[in-house]
Amino acid sequence: EDQVTQSPEALRLQEGESSSLNCSYTVSGLRGLFWYRQDPGKGPEFLFTLYSAGEEKEKERLKATLTKKESFLHITAPKPEDSATYLCAVQAWAAGNKLTFGGGTRVLVKP
Amino acid sequence: DAGITQSPRYKITETGRQVTLMCHQTWSHSYMFWYRQDLGHGLRLIYYSAAADITDKGEVPDGYVVSRSKTENFPLTLESATRSQTSVYFCASSEGRARETQYFGPGTRLLVL
Repeated sequence: EDQVTQSPEALRLQEGESSSLNCSYTVSGLRGLFWYRQDPGKGPEFLFTLYSAGEEKEKERLKATLTKKESFLHITAPKPEDSATYLCAVQAWAAGNKLTFGGGTRVLVKP
Repeated sequence: DAGITQSPRYKITETGRQVTLMCHQTWSHSYMFWYRQDLGHGLRLIYYSAAADITDKGEVPDGYVVSRSKTENFPLTLESATRSQTSVYFCASSEGRARETQYFGPGTRLLVL
């Protein structure tokens, strides 16, 4: 069974204080690892897809990395508008197009 | 460009009533998905569809029914609503090729009294 665990559950940061979110996964044949951002009352918004260990993707203050067992979402010099819940999901080759999600990390950036 | 829409956005119903949540996408994506999101459980897949007239169960299908007569629509029906089905429901779609990203709708908040 595919499993995704995200840590920490919640993170409080001061504006400009860089940090990292962790996504640990077990999957029988990784097809892709996805990061989403979710604002309160809204649907998840796609951020990145990573396909193989060593791959990195960047978007503004966010950088996602992937190893064979985990992925990190690094937030560099965050701003209050980066406050959101960040979701990680895996897609296994055996599961077709289905995603298995982690519980998410709630990030609050204070000015 | 409407993308993916859900209706209603909010719904209050009573136990035992039938409720249908609608999902519509304008991208002509092959795959469509229904998830529920609950505190402590994250997003869980209810049903999905690979194409019109092709549907399959996800992780938590009990108490739900889906149909897909047209590519762009994927309604989710709660045949006899229960309090445990109080949740936020999200519809998503993906193009269907290998490694394709799922794009989510805005969600429907359902309260079953």
